[in-house]
Amino acid sequence: AQKITQTQPGMFVQEKEAVTLDCTYDTSDQSYGLFWYKQPSSGEMIFLIYQGSYDEQNATEGRYSLNFQKARKSANLVISASQLGDSAMYFCAMREAYNDYKLSFGAGTTVTVRA
Amino acid sequence: EAQVTQNPRYLITVTGKKLTVTCSQNMNHEYMSWYRQDPGLGLRQIYYSMNVEVTDKGDVPEGYKVSRKEKRNFPLILESPSPNQTSLYFCASSFGGMVNTEAFFGQGTRLTVV
Repeated sequence: AQKITQTQPGMFVQEKEAVTLDCTYDTSDQSYGLFWYKQPSSGEMIFLIYQGSYDEQNATEGRYSLNFQKARKSANLVISASQLGDSAMYFCAMREAYNDYKLSFGAGTTVTVRA
Repeated sequence: EAQVTQNPRYLITVTGKKLTVTCSQNMNHEYMSWYRQDPGLGLRQIYYSMNVEVTDKGDVPEGYKVSRKEKRNFPLILESPSPNQTSLYFCASSFGGMVNTEAFFGQGTRLTVV
């Protein structure tokens, strides 16, 4: 079964607007962590934000916030005030306690910011 | 500067010609992994290592070998590359034993096997 599902292959967003990237996950573990990474066209993987399964508050890092709905097993990334430099591929990933040596990734969402 | 260094960044090779992609980290991380990235599939783990001389298969290990003789280095070996191993490869490292540990990635190696 797919551990991480990202259903939006590609999205367009207008500069300065907010965009939400969907991520749902599947685990039977009680302890897990959710990560979002950005991959610009240059190819490197850039860590954006982390949410722990026991965290009661949604994580925020600057213009990035994570809408964590544990009962629905979703961890959507919200990028506020989009900039041209936000154009990239975005990956949702999960690390589970029982196999903490591994990150399980979704297929990714390509975001294109329009001027 | 904390980093994971992969080499080479780009490689074109022919079917059957053995190659090695090197990976080195300077953060004293216990865990190291290799992933491959393919369109529509995201990143999938090839092999991982939890410490020196401790390695194990990930989700897609066929056609690959690894070794971990020193804590900082984790090379990926393709003994007889085939075209279906054309992909973007990433080495990653992290501290072990915690779900909240961030993985640090190398710059990636774009491999083409013809």
